[in-house]
Amino acid sequence: NAGVTQTPKFRVLKTGQSMTLLCAQDMNHEYMYWYRQDPGMGLRLIHYSVGEGTTAKGEVPDGYNVSRLKKQNFLLGLESAAPSQTSVYFCASTEGSLTYEQYFGPGTRLTVT
Amino acid sequence: GDSVTQMEGPVTLSEEAFLTINCTYTATGYPSLFWYVQYPGEGLQLLLKATKADDKGSNKGFEATYRKETTSFHLEKGSVQVSDSAVYFCALLNTNAGKSTFGDGTTLTVKP
Repeated sequence: NAGVTQTPKFRVLKTGQSMTLLCAQDMNHEYMYWYRQDPGMGLRLIHYSVGEGTTAKGEVPDGYNVSRLKKQNFLLGLESAAPSQTSVYFCASTEGSLTYEQYFGPGTRLTVT
Repeated sequence: GDSVTQMEGPVTLSEEAFLTINCTYTATGYPSLFWYVQYPGEGLQLLLKATKADDKGSNKGFEATYRKETTSFHLEKGSVQVSDSAVYFCALLNTNAGKSTFGDGTTLTVKP
């Protein structure tokens, strides 16, 4: 039982490049989330999903897209990276009905130059 | 909208000192409340939770009580250890929307 995993762990992009971050969970959780963490700003919700095939915007969705084609995977895409997207990205999941404890992945450190 | 306000850090204590980290919230309805801990280079882990007013969450010597009248969920520990050094996040869950709001985090350093 690996919990929540994220790929890759580190990435450096040039401005304008694109990339996809992958989040996978093996707990059969319904809800999945993408956050970004910046110094002194806590965690801010980018997008989230309440089930396979669904997505919704969070607090800071601009410049990101997501997809949840399979229940266990939640992809975060950056179509044209900007330096302002330099951050640590965390994926989380929760069972969603009986308990709402969130399980977090180890994070992806992204630098955009 | 929902919001969480945490005591500003960083907080530096000596081993065996008493810890309090304040957390207050604003929310519609009846949120669930959480404290998460983040160790260097890792993701967040649940420390404790409370789902209704007057509930007390506890784990590893940490405690927090859900106070609806003061909209607070302060984290306490009677005697901190060096291994408690980490960043602590207060969070609320809006069960209607299925999403959480986090505070900015408080960095705790415990010195021997």
